[in-house]
Amino acid sequence: GAGVSQTPSNKVTEKGKYVELRCDPISGHTALYWYRQSLGQGPEFLIYFQGTGAADDSGLPNDRFFAVRPEGSVSTLKIQRTERGDSAVYLCASTLGPAGGPGEQFFGPGTRLTVL
Amino acid sequence: AQKVTQAQTEISVVEKEDVTLDCVYETRDTTYYLFWYKQPPSGELVFLIRRNSFDEQNEISGRYSWNFQKSTSSFNFTITASQVVDSAVYFCALSRNSGYSTLTFGKGTMLLVSP
Repeated sequence: GAGVSQTPSNKVTEKGKYVELRCDPISGHTALYWYRQSLGQGPEFLIYFQGTGAADDSGLPNDRFFAVRPEGSVSTLKIQRTERGDSAVYLCASTLGPAGGPGEQFFGPGTRLTVL
Repeated sequence: AQKVTQAQTEISVVEKEDVTLDCVYETRDTTYYLFWYKQPPSGELVFLIRRNSFDEQNEISGRYSWNFQKSTSSFNFTITASQVVDSAVYFCALSRNSGYSTLTFGKGTMLLVSP
């Protein structure tokens, strides 16, 4: 079956611009996670959704970052007034649901964001 | 707060050597889960193993084995008879014992296996 897909794979933008990153999780997966991976670092949690609602957004760095998942499937991560420090790979993951503890998170290929 | 430390930034071995990747974690939770993921040059994270804190038995899967030592808060990963295809960045991660729990990753260890 299809895995987690993310579009675009690469995004180059100028400082101050607005960007949207899309994640299409595995069909039927109820939980969706966004992580950010800077060069040479491990992924860092940003936000996760249970269904349509953001269950935990404690990892969002500031109010320029926002994410939605209006129909409980596809999610969009939105970044306003981008800064050079936002440059990173943005990863999306999904899980089927609880099964005796946290399940395996299936990751997408990521979107590499470069802010010039 | 949860924390994962992977002290080895990069390891280089020659094919067929055994190699161990270290992972030390910190958590105040009494129950938790530990994971290992592989990130090949293509970039996509690949799940390798999930282990809960209730079970301290070591696990073997083919050339891969994992040593969980709760007393030293370590969850080390050994690859036996390494192969060039094992070259990747390996991440250890920690999560709370909850159905929908986020992962706290270490910084990763880059493994380079040369022919």
